[in-house]
Amino acid sequence: EPEVTQTPSHQVTQMGQEVILRCVPISNHLYFYWYRQILGQKVEFLVSFYNNEISEKSEIFDDQFSVERPDGSNFTLKIRSTKLEDSAMYFCASSAGQEETQYFGPGTRLLVL
Amino acid sequence: AQSVTQLGSHVSVSEGALVLLRCNYSSSVPPYLFWYVQYPNQGLQLLLKYTSAATLVKGINGFEAEFKKSETSFHLTKPSAHMSDAAEYFCAVRISGNTPLVFGKGTRLSVIA
Repeated sequence: EPEVTQTPSHQVTQMGQEVILRCVPISNHLYFYWYRQILGQKVEFLVSFYNNEISEKSEIFDDQFSVERPDGSNFTLKIRSTKLEDSAMYFCASSAGQEETQYFGPGTRLLVL
Repeated sequence: AQSVTQLGSHVSVSEGALVLLRCNYSSSVPPYLFWYVQYPNQGLQLLLKYTSAATLVKGINGFEAEFKKSETSFHLTKPSAHMSDAAEYFCAVRISGNTPLVFGKGTRLSVIA
């Protein structure tokens, strides 16, 4: 069964460093999403992406964040200069259409020291 | 804005007992409602969804949920818990097909032999 994959599963970085989280969505899906979950808090929406551009973003998704679909398979989330409060589990999701179910990856646990 | 409240961050049941995980939502318009499950080291997997058809929704692994508009609830139930049901369960809402999912904090279900 097709699934969303994410790499790495865990990443530790120093404050101020750039990180890139990678996702491979399900191959025929057109809509892509990033969510995050800070430990003990809710899963929160970050950004949605369709047709090579951001379709919606939350207040969390400030200028430090960017997304890209560099090729036909990967979907990346870049954090330009990490802060301690960026430590969280980051989930990628994809869907075949706007009304369709979002399928989630296993997440990347990011720890900023 | 819509929101979700999951009552109980941790629920523990005996094997074979009824599972009841509570979810209440707030939405200004008729919502779409979802239950996702996360097994250890895996992504969020859709259990079931309500999209304004039948109010009693059946999902995978014997789970079901009932949409009760008067109570703004969408509680998840399973008649008989199995050890393999131990996981984190997330309730989520969105108001239309092209809006992000809004999640609850999650409920960790433990099943005792």
